[in-house]
Amino acid sequence: SAVISQKPSRDICQRGTSLTIQCQVDSQVTMMFWYRQQPGQSLTLIATANQGSEATYESGFVIDKFPISRPNLTFSTLTVSNMSPEDSSIYLCSVPAEGAISNQPQHFGDGTRLSIL
Amino acid sequence: ILNVEQSPQSLHVQEGDSTNFTCSFPSSNFYALHWYRWETAKSPEALFVMTLNGDEKKKGRISATLNTKEGYSYLYIKGSQPEDSATYLCASDNYGQNFVFGPGTRLSVLP
Repeated sequence: SAVISQKPSRDICQRGTSLTIQCQVDSQVTMMFWYRQQPGQSLTLIATANQGSEATYESGFVIDKFPISRPNLTFSTLTVSNMSPEDSSIYLCSVPAEGAISNQPQHFGDGTRLSIL
Repeated sequence: ILNVEQSPQSLHVQEGDSTNFTCSFPSSNFYALHWYRWETAKSPEALFVMTLNGDEKKKGRISATLNTKEGYSYLYIKGSQPEDSATYLCASDNYGQNFVFGPGTRLSVLP
């Protein structure tokens, strides 16, 4: 199974600043996913990071707030821009287990625990 | 947009007790259901992928059943141990496009 390295593991940031989260996979994958879990809420998909094209954002999430890079098949970054306390969450990246998406579990990074003061 | 629910929200059991919790999901256009265990400060770990009505899967002391007609899945833990303490997530697989997760059931097993 894929090994995913996500960093930073946690951070405390000031309101109005931005933070970039990195996700490195030990194998080439077509799709990478970025999730957020706000306190007491479900794990929610932010966007799908596609190599060679713009990320596909879910309803309620926009590129200006969560810009994503996907420079190659093993790496992606998510930036949380102009942070406010409502952005305090756990952010996770994931990849499909077997390359194809259908009926396969996803492998997750360890997450980034972000707190905004 | 799918709506996946889980109950209870949290659960405390004594070591050795057996327990179960529920995931409910829209039964129309069902594709697959996933169960994960998420321990604090670790990544979610895949437990089961379930696709067929009546499916029952087992992994050690943990098992799961699936009813796609009525839209629910049960996760059972037999003889709970402190190391079973985690949040258990289910997710409906939206035709391979994305996963819709439930809010999770937080299990605490007391020694």
